[in-house]
Amino acid sequence: GQQLNQSPQSMFIQEGEDVSMNCTSSSIFNTWLWYKQDPGEGPVLLIALYKAGELTSNGRLTAQFGITRKDSFLNISASIPSDVGIYFCAGLDYQRGSQGNLIFGKGTKLSVKP
Amino acid sequence: DAGVIQSPRHEVTEMGQEVTLRCKPISGHDYLFWYRQTMMRGLELLIYFNNNVPIDDSGMPEDRFSAKMPNASFSTLKIQPSEPRDSAVYFCASSKRDRGSNTQYFGPGTRLTVL
Repeated sequence: GQQLNQSPQSMFIQEGEDVSMNCTSSSIFNTWLWYKQDPGEGPVLLIALYKAGELTSNGRLTAQFGITRKDSFLNISASIPSDVGIYFCAGLDYQRGSQGNLIFGKGTKLSVKP
Repeated sequence: DAGVIQSPRHEVTEMGQEVTLRCKPISGHDYLFWYRQTMMRGLELLIYFNNNVPIDDSGMPEDRFSAKMPNASFSTLKIQPSEPRDSAVYFCASSKRDRGSNTQYFGPGTRLTVL
């Protein structure tokens, strides 16, 4: 089945730094979503992308839907301590079921530099 | 506006016992999804419903797992009998098809521990 490769697996940030993470797929998705998960909570939607080439911002977060429809990136500018958590990309797969379902990356764990 | 509600938040049970997890989707959403999250396998889709009808249950690990959605505002995921390898966080998510897409909103999850 379809798989998403999300990188990096983990990264350490210092307050004020910009952060970048991405997801790639071997096949095409119709929608890319970016979620953040805090400990003990469910994933919370950050940004949804519906069209190839689409660039969308949500505050300090910016995400793009790759032109090939096989990749997406998420950037966080001027990181702050509350950005710590696990970020997941997800692609919507219309091949599995008539309405599709989400395929999730393994996540990027953001931690604060000691 | 209330989000997806799940109960219980934590469940500890012994191997062989029946476990029932509950979910109330966001009002007006017509899709409901059950996921399982583990360190090893990440987030896995178990089953999803559209208008209370199960559409794809190919992710259900085995016959010990069953899910129902008797009405638009309630769903259950049952494991009987439970086994230690079922220990995981189970998430329910709901969505409403819009603009040709299907953005899912997750509940807080139920952390299941089977001893």
